[in-house]
Amino acid sequence: AQSVTQPDIHITVSEGASLELRCNYSYGATPYLFWYVQSPGQGLQLLLKYFSGDTLVQGIKGFEAEFKRSQSSFNLRKPSVHWSDAAEYFCAVAPVNDYKLSFGAGTTVTVRA
Amino acid sequence: DSGVTQTPKHLITATGQRVTLRCSPRSGDLSVYWYQQSLDQGLQFLIQYYNGEERAKGNILERFSAQQFPDLHSELNLSSLELGDSALYFCASSDGQGGNEQYFGPGTRLTVT
Repeated sequence: AQSVTQPDIHITVSEGASLELRCNYSYGATPYLFWYVQSPGQGLQLLLKYFSGDTLVQGIKGFEAEFKRSQSSFNLRKPSVHWSDAAEYFCAVAPVNDYKLSFGAGTTVTVRA
Repeated sequence: DSGVTQTPKHLITATGQRVTLRCSPRSGDLSVYWYQQSLDQGLQFLIQYYNGEERAKGNILERFSAQQFPDLHSELNLSSLELGDSALYFCASSDGQGGNEQYFGPGTRLTVT
């Protein structure tokens, strides 16, 4: 069955430390891959996406993600987090030529001073 | 600001009632998607319209229906409401082409009492 897994429900990180959020997917073929962020009381904002090509993708707000086909993973990273990065992060996938996004359960990031 | 607008922002209603949620897509986008975000189900795709026609259906209950009008705005109708329908309902829009980069509105929070 097709699925998107974010193994970490909650991560706490110190301001200025690095952050890595994990995402694994199970699909028949490599889907389109996305990371979205949801701040409290807000809608979802697209951080970055992977369709094809270079497996290291740069996004907004200093985030990047690396696609690893062999591991069916699309992990999100940021070298140095800011207090404003506290939010919920969702990995999402869409099969190629399909239109509906399937989301992981989300990872809540808390940033401590 | 994603350019996608949703009204109302909040809605409180009683069980058995019917409500209509409204979404205006980004200028130029032909596709509208509806998602439901609840604590127990997470973010789930409900339905997609493209240029007025239904294109894809997800986990949408029979009590729910949607349409997209000639001016491309969309409405999601929820009827015979139950307590379990309380959730955040998001609308997203895209140009409808493959690749599926969707822009999300701020959501409508529905509370059924």
